[in-house]
Amino acid sequence: AQKVTQAQTEISVVEKEDVTLDCVYETRDTTYYLFWYKQPPSGELVFLIRRNSFDEQNEISGRYSWNFQKSTSSFNFTITASQVVDSAVYFCALSDPLNNNAGNMLTFGGGTRLMVKP
Amino acid sequence: DTEVTQTPKHLVMGMTNKKSLKCEQHMGHRAMYWYKQKAKKPPELMFVYSYEKLSINESVPSRFSPECPNSSLLNLHLHALQPEDSALYLCASSQDIYEKLFFGSGTQLSVL
Repeated sequence: AQKVTQAQTEISVVEKEDVTLDCVYETRDTTYYLFWYKQPPSGELVFLIRRNSFDEQNEISGRYSWNFQKSTSSFNFTITASQVVDSAVYFCALSDPLNNNAGNMLTFGGGTRLMVKP
Repeated sequence: DTEVTQTPKHLVMGMTNKKSLKCEQHMGHRAMYWYKQKAKKPPELMFVYSYEKLSINESVPSRFSPECPNSSLLNLHLHALQPEDSALYLCASSQDIYEKLFFGSGTQLSVL
């Protein structure tokens, strides 16, 4: 069975602080994808990143960076110099496309609510 | 156009009403999805359509009835809902069932 755990339910930081959102996953499969989505108050989930299980290179996109470590089954997300507009709920998700007929069935973590105060 | 458009944005209905939620995308995506999200919870998959055919029904009650009239449209027909069905209903699409999902902003449904 697959499981995604986001232990931090809420994080509050002051603007310009760096913040790391933790994600730990469980799967018995060797081929899988990991995702991060952002859900602002407007409701839509905004895709941030997808990594496959064979690519452990860390990735940086502007103020966002992701640290994928298979040894600890973690896929953490860091926002550098946070801004008020970063306030949202962030979901980590896992999919196992080769072992189910529906392909992209996402298992979501519980989400982390990030509040960035001015 | 990288949008998934959902209408209406808000819907209030009684338990005896029949209503429909609509979702549209013009990205040429061949997979479309319905998710249900309760407050402060992650989204839960309801249905998956692949090439206009229903490929997954996650044990959703029959009072929810999906329909995919063509590759750009996805409907969710609602009938005899219960108050516990009140939630945010999210539509998503992807190039195919192995690619990343694009989500709409959802329909906030209240059942009285």
